[in-house]
Amino acid sequence: DAGVTQSPTHLIKTRGQQVTLRCSPKSGHDTVSWYQQALGQGPQFIFQYYEEEERQRGNFPDRFSGHQFPNYSSELNVNALLLGDSALYLCASSLEPGNSPLHFGNGTRLTVT
Amino acid sequence: RKEVEQDPGPFNVPEGATVAFNCTYSNSASQSFFWYRQDCRKEPKLLMSVYSSGNEDGRFTAQLNRASQYISLLIRDSKLSDSATYLCVVNDGTGGGADGLTFGKGTHLIIQP
Repeated sequence: DAGVTQSPTHLIKTRGQQVTLRCSPKSGHDTVSWYQQALGQGPQFIFQYYEEEERQRGNFPDRFSGHQFPNYSSELNVNALLLGDSALYLCASSLEPGNSPLHFGNGTRLTVT
Repeated sequence: RKEVEQDPGPFNVPEGATVAFNCTYSNSASQSFFWYRQDCRKEPKLLMSVYSSGNEDGRFTAQLNRASQYISLLIRDSKLSDSATYLCVVNDGTGGGADGLTFGKGTHLIIQP
């Protein structure tokens, strides 16, 4: 039973560039949520996708956008990267919206230089 | 006032000892509570849900105090492998997170031989 998988594992980008992170949910899960975790902080909610639509969104600028595909996999896109976007980006899946708990992937560590 | 607060620690505890830490939440309407464990540079993993009547899983005991709005985690006979960051997570449906989940910043626990 495959868990949540994310790619890539690590990424280094330059300020101003754009990045796309990918996530495949745990088998049987149809809801995908994205979190940003800065060093020493708890995960901060970016947004959640269900039925290919953004269902909830946290306090992140429009530079952060996402997509969910018919197979429930998801992408997180960040435009015009800033140094402060350097963080661990976590994808989590759940059985359905409102059905906690969340199952996290290993994360993508993004470094912006 | 922050929605979910935890003492960041670190808690330095000798192997075999019992350790407990709390997490306070601000929304009295909060409905669900969880403890996640996060190892260094890894993803959070669900440790246990916290039920109103309290619950135990092996050496771990979780308690909920609705009157004082806090949850607790107690670890008995601590092992070196218990060293990790413990994240308190509260689901109140309004936290703005996925399924209303709000994460604390975590409590860092170090078990010393």
